[in-house]
Amino acid sequence: DSGVTQTPKHLITATGQRVTLRCSPRSGDLSVYWYQQSLDQGLQFLIQYYNGEERAKGNILERFSAQQFPDLHSELNLSSLELGDSALYFCASSVAYPNPGSGELFFGEGSRLTVL
Amino acid sequence: AQSVTQLDSQVPVFEEAPVELRCNYSSSVSVYLFWYVQYPNQGLQLLLKYLSGSTLVKGINGFEAEFNKSQTSFHLRKPSVHISDTAEYFCAVSAVSGGYQKVTFGTGTKLQVIP
Repeated sequence: DSGVTQTPKHLITATGQRVTLRCSPRSGDLSVYWYQQSLDQGLQFLIQYYNGEERAKGNILERFSAQQFPDLHSELNLSSLELGDSALYFCASSVAYPNPGSGELFFGEGSRLTVL
Repeated sequence: AQSVTQLDSQVPVFEEAPVELRCNYSSSVSVYLFWYVQYPNQGLQLLLKYLSGSTLVKGINGFEAEFNKSQTSFHLRKPSVHISDTAEYFCAVSAVSGGYQKVTFGTGTKLQVIP
């Protein structure tokens, strides 16, 4: 058990819909990362938050948005869903820099999104 | 900027044979290095990490990796693989950029252990 909790574990929805994925980081971790993993594109970095602030953006579509709340949990919002958005979405957390080993990520079990 | 290259997307190997999964990185600053493993239908979990000190690091399940600064490599090895090692392995590099820790993953190597 990594200590990172993601909900829901599975989600099936239709094209054009909107969903919200939730992540609770490990206790004390200030950084939250979101990744998308699909068969054709592998593991793709989406976005990183640190203590409520956006720190880095990767290959995140404009239809996707995220935020980190004061209690440090994070949500990833996916809108106008397309078939190609079907994937496993992972959240990870890490301790804050400059703690030693602050690059080590602790992953949740993922949220599997199926768009029909 | 930093990057990670895993040249082998798939590595088939017979059970009880040795294996090496290659990882090369580039970075203009000092880095931490990691290997993660992802078993089917699971999240990524840490296999081993290099932060400082001895360049040979040992991880879980009999894996080890050696940090080679001159060759900017961090190859993963196991002397004898088991069927249960079938999984996808990701190399990652972490460095400080703009006052925060930036983590970059390689594209992954799928290890298939053949009975």
